[in-house]
Amino acid sequence: AQSVSQHNHHVILSEAASLELGCNYSYGGTVNLFWYVQYPGQHLQLLLKYFSGDPLVKGIKGFEAEFIKSKFSFNLRKPSVQWSDTAEYFCAVNLGQPGKSTFGDGTTLTVKP
Amino acid sequence: SAVISQKPSRDICQRGTSLTIQCQVDSQVTMMFWYRQQPGQSLTLIATANQGSEATYESGFVIDKYPISRPNLTFSTLTVSNMSPEDSSIYLCSVRLSWEQYFGPGTRLTVT
Repeated sequence: AQSVSQHNHHVILSEAASLELGCNYSYGGTVNLFWYVQYPGQHLQLLLKYFSGDPLVKGIKGFEAEFIKSKFSFNLRKPSVQWSDTAEYFCAVNLGQPGKSTFGDGTTLTVKP
Repeated sequence: SAVISQKPSRDICQRGTSLTIQCQVDSQVTMMFWYRQQPGQSLTLIATANQGSEATYESGFVIDKYPISRPNLTFSTLTVSNMSPEDSSIYLCSVRLSWEQYFGPGTRLTVT
């Protein structure tokens, strides 16, 4: 079974700092990759996804992620974070079975104003 | 997109009792999913519920503990049976529309 590892459980940044959240997965075949965000008191929502093609994926709110197949990684980045980016971020992978995703443990991002 | 509501939003239950969680979607969907998120942990898929057929459970989850109903294309229920404190979690309903996955707000369950 596939697994997903997020390296940082809690990240604290000041506004305007750059962000990179690590995500590695264990499956060697074709995968679909996702980043979800959960703002305080809100639903999980999709930030961005990768199915195929350009390995650099752009999502909502200025986020992007890069799929590096050789490293089994799908790291999330944002050049300049804002206080409103304070949330929990989940990386997820599925093997082409929409809905049946395996999630990482999540990273809590706190952005100080 | 899909808008998902869940009831109740939270509950505190006694050991040995059962709780049924409802999930309502604003559009018709074939596949609905139930996840569990234990404190400080990731989301774990419990089962997939397709309308008109029995739910498919993931390894470690059984129908006797988590019976699921799927009476139509917009509604599902998950029952957490014979609860113990280890069942304290957030339970999330999710649906798939095309390749997008949407999540409900979750039901926060505390078992005492």
